[in-house]
Amino acid sequence: SQQGEEDPQALSIQEGENATMNCSYKTSINNLQWYRQNSGRGLVHLILIRSNEREKHSGRLRVTLDTSKKSSSLLITASRAADTASYFCATVLSSGNTPLVFGKGTRLSVIA
Amino acid sequence: NAGVTQTPKFQVLKTGQSMTLQCAQDMNHNSMYWYRQDPGMGLRLIYYSASEGTTDKGEVPNGYNVSRLNKREFSLRLESAAPSQTSVYFCASMRTRGSYEQYFGPGTRLTVT
Repeated sequence: SQQGEEDPQALSIQEGENATMNCSYKTSINNLQWYRQNSGRGLVHLILIRSNEREKHSGRLRVTLDTSKKSSSLLITASRAADTASYFCATVLSSGNTPLVFGKGTRLSVIA
Repeated sequence: NAGVTQTPKFQVLKTGQSMTLQCAQDMNHNSMYWYRQDPGMGLRLIYYSASEGTTDKGEVPNGYNVSRLNKREFSLRLESAAPSQTSVYFCASMRTRGSYEQYFGPGTRLTVT
């Protein structure tokens, strides 16, 4: 069964706007990661946040983690048409000795 | 440095046929993974190999077998394909368990009729 669930399932915004996607999970984690998948391609790792971190930045990406609510959010600022893709959260359970468990993804469309 | 490569890119099988999906990585990674991706289901883990010589079942292993041929190669075999195995299959690798970041291949689109 899926550990992470992304919300919304689909998101459509104008170029230049910010995009926010959320991920909720069920059990305690070691870390949470976000991946991007362009249509017909494999997934690409974007960012990892550990359970003892609350916020992390990478370029136009900002990730937050709230372990008390078992949730994370991915913010893409000043979106571009090239950001159009599906975004997945993936978790590693707190034992650290388990494979990634992926959510179902958010489909982001950025309209030029 | 090609990263993770998968062959074939596309395949059509008839029910009951068998085939092997090949995966290779040139990053000297210890761990390798096979996932399937179905519409609306995200990625589900089929099998993984934490290190050369070991394999473990994932969430959906039924109908599949794997072989970790060496550190570079991890193959997925369908012994008797079924329409329910129509999916896109992704191979991934990871340096060590502690690094957690996975690198994905481009995928194999399999249709079973």
